[in-house]
Formats: sequence, C-alpha cells, structure tokens
Amino acid sequence: GQQLNQSPQSMFIQEGEDVSMNCTSSSIFNTWLWYKQDPGEGPVLLIALYKAGELTSNGRLTAQFGITRKDSFLNISASIPSDVGIYFCAGPKEGSEKLVFGKGTKLTVNP
Amino acid sequence: SAVISQKPSRDICQRGTSLTIQCQVDSQVTMMFWYRQQPGQSLTLIATANQGSEATYESGFVIDKFPISRPNLTFSTLTVSNMSPEDSSIYLCSVDSTDGYTFGSGTRLTVV
Repeated sequence: GQQLNQSPQSMFIQEGEDVSMNCTSSSIFNTWLWYKQDPGEGPVLLIALYKAGELTSNGRLTAQFGITRKDSFLNISASIPSDVGIYFCAGPKEGSEKLVFGKGTKLTVNP
Repeated sequence: SAVISQKPSRDICQRGTSLTIQCQVDSQVTMMFWYRQQPGQSLTLIATANQGSEATYESGFVIDKFPISRPNLTFSTLTVSNMSPEDSSIYLCSVDSTDGYTFGSGTRLTVV
C-alpha cells in the first residue's frame, strides 16, 4: 500500500537555526499535507500542497510538492522554542479521502 | 475550517470496561474519520464514518471492538470495547473541511 517515509526521525537544534525535513513515497500523491502536533493536542494543519512543483509559505514555514509527486519537504527558518513538537507529513490514499501519515519528525529547539 | 469538539479529553479506565468518545463538528460533513495514535507513534486510521450507513473499518480493526455511531452530519461516537492495556492510546476524530483535514484535540486513554 501507499506509505510515507519521513526523515529525520528527530532533530535537536539551536534556536535561530533553520530546519528541513522531508517525506518520500514510492507511490504518487496528489496532495501533500504537513501537520504539527503539540503534546496533548491533535495535529494542526500547517501547509497543504495540491500541485506538483508548488512552493507554499506560511510565515517561517515553507513546503514544496515534489515535481515527481512522490516527495515533499518542509523548511522552518529561524527556529524558535515554540516550534518544538512533532511534524507529520500526510496525504490521501490514491482514489480515496483516507489519509496516510508519515512516522513524524520530533523537533527539539534549545534556547 | 471546521471546528471539532472532542470529549473526553482523557480518561483512565479499568480493563474489561468500555469508553465512548464523542466528536461534535460545527458544520455538516459527509465523512468523519477515527484515528488511533499509540504512544510515540504516528496516526493510524481506524474507520470512516458516513451518516446513514455502517462505518468502514481498516484492516486490523473490527466493529465489535470499535463500534461507531454517526446519527447525523455533525456528530459521531467511537466506543473502545472490552478494553485492555494495549488499547492505551490517543484517539482522534477528523473531518475533511474546506481548508483541509481538521482534527479534534484527541482523547488520551489509559487502561489499567
């Protein structure tokens, strides 16, 4: 079935540094979604990508939909302590509205 | 985007008992999705709940263990039945709204 391979699994960075994480799949996705989950909360949608090659920003966050439709990356610039959390990529299974999730990237930001 | 109210936010339950989780959406939606997130893991889809029909379960999940109700277009419940410690997880509901898939805040279940 369609699976999303997300990396890195965890990151430890200093405040102010830039961060990059990515998701790849052996299958084509027509939509890529990036979520952040804080402890004790549900995932919150950060950026949605709907078109191959699309580059979208949301404040300090930038995400791109890979041209092959098999990958996506999320960048966070000038990280701050509140960026701490788990970031998930996700996308609907082909021909379905059911989401499949990557395993997540746990981000720790040291002040 | 849709706003989802999920409750309870957390509970500690005895093994062998059942817990019903509720999700209320502030707008009408066709499909509601129920997920499980085991400790330190990603989200796994349990089932899709459509109003007026039986829920569709993913591989590894069965109706007897996770019965779902969908009485109208804004509300759904998930019951975790005959619980064991292995059911300790976060359970989340989700809908596909105009701005993308929105999630409730989750129910953190601990079975002792």
